[in-house]
Amino acid sequence: SAVISQKPSRDICQRGTSLTIQCQVDSQVTMMFWYRQQPGQSLTLIATANQGSEATYESGFVIDKFPISRPNLTFSTLTVSNMSPEDSSIYLCSVRRGGGWNTEAFFGQGTRLTVV
Amino acid sequence: GIQVEQSPPDLILQEGANSTLRCNFSDSVNNLQWFHQNPWGQLINLFYIPSGTKQNGRLSATTVATERYSLLYISSSQTTDSGVYFCAVGLTQGGSEKLVFGKGMKLTVNP
Repeated sequence: SAVISQKPSRDICQRGTSLTIQCQVDSQVTMMFWYRQQPGQSLTLIATANQGSEATYESGFVIDKFPISRPNLTFSTLTVSNMSPEDSSIYLCSVRRGGGWNTEAFFGQGTRLTVV
Repeated sequence: GIQVEQSPPDLILQEGANSTLRCNFSDSVNNLQWFHQNPWGQLINLFYIPSGTKQNGRLSATTVATERYSLLYISSSQTTDSGVYFCAVGLTQGGSEKLVFGKGMKLTVNP
């Protein structure tokens, strides 16, 4: 398994501001993943963060809105920039354990963001 | 892209009842996981089950990869089983492995 500490666990933010979410893993991992879960919806991958390189963003997500840092192999941050009420979601970080095709995903406890 | 469909979308049970959740996927996958999302939003790993059958207490899961479906069985349900259940499939896209989630199934267990 994996121990993933994510903070803050929840926040209420004013529109137009930014929030940085932190994700700490108990051991080194090559890739870390950031997901968004809008209210009542499933999880959608925002981006994949590799240490030492730019994050890879999925269609519909851009770096200016969701900048990601990956300073080392156990830590990553996701910033939600210039927030609007539509950004109210649960944001989750994830890592994989295993190798080859047999990789199991584990998730942090999530950050519940409300933008007012 | 791949379609991951879960059924039923919602289910209400009385405590003690049994239930079966189904996950169909439209293409070959590398692996499959079942998660339970509790009311606080945390995703709990239930099973990593690319194929075959596994059991953990009152829960068991079966994946038939050749027929592209997986089943999650919950026996003697308890109120703490309430929440949303997701299946997610791992597949290779663009040289990396992606995890694609179904839409989830909301389970409510009443005392």
